[in-house]
Amino acid sequence: QVQLQESGPGLVKPSQTLSLTCTVSGGSISSGGYYWSWIRQHPGKGLEWIGYIYYSGSTYYNPSLKSRVTISVDTSKNQFSLKLSSVTAADTAVYYCAGRMLGEYYFDYWGQGTLVTVSS
Amino acid sequence: QSVLTQPPSVSAAPGQKVTISCSGSSSNIGNNYVSWYQQLPGTAPKLLIYDNNKRPSGIPDRFSGSKSGTSATLGITGLQTGDEADYYCGTWDSSLSAVFGTGTKVTVL
Repeated sequence: QVQLQESGPGLVKPSQTLSLTCTVSGGSISSGGYYWSWIRQHPGKGLEWIGYIYYSGSTYYNPSLKSRVTISVDTSKNQFSLKLSSVTAADTAVYYCAGRMLGEYYFDYWGQGTLVTVSS
Repeated sequence: QSVLTQPPSVSAAPGQKVTISCSGSSSNIGNNYVSWYQQLPGTAPKLLIYDNNKRPSGIPDRFSGSKSGTSATLGITGLQTGDEADYYCGTWDSSLSAVFGTGTKVTVL
């Protein structure tokens, strides 16, 4: 059973870069069977998809965040990462990593989520 | 940022049925599969329905999904206290982005 676990700082200062890592266990990112996504949820609000990466390194980002987002993958560590630059208080949210099977259109694996607060 | 519209809340007594609507457009629901997610308090979303009406292994048949045109519906029958949660619909849009609904809180009276 695939499991995902987010990690990273819970507090980021305004204008700095938010950095999170998702560690995948129970399966290999290199197997190529999944797209790996980041999704966030503002406090008390709905879900917002940030973008995804494939094991090859190909990415696709939400157009509304594209200018500030970088998602990368480290197959040797079975991890993928999110960087969101120039953060403001509006980026305060619970960040989830999630997996979507190749050829499918739903997220069947989710991490537990990690709260990132942007504050000075 | 949610482009899919859901009612903020629905409620019913234990054992009763509730339905949750998800309204979109031809650029999202109208041309893509819909999935539904259950988010229990303080936890991550969990896949409940995929490809409009299919249930993953382990999801009871009390949960059902349907889609018609640019809208989708989640049904929950035999409502239980453990069903109290937020429910989100999801799909993809013409910009190849995943989009989600505004979310619906289910309350068991």
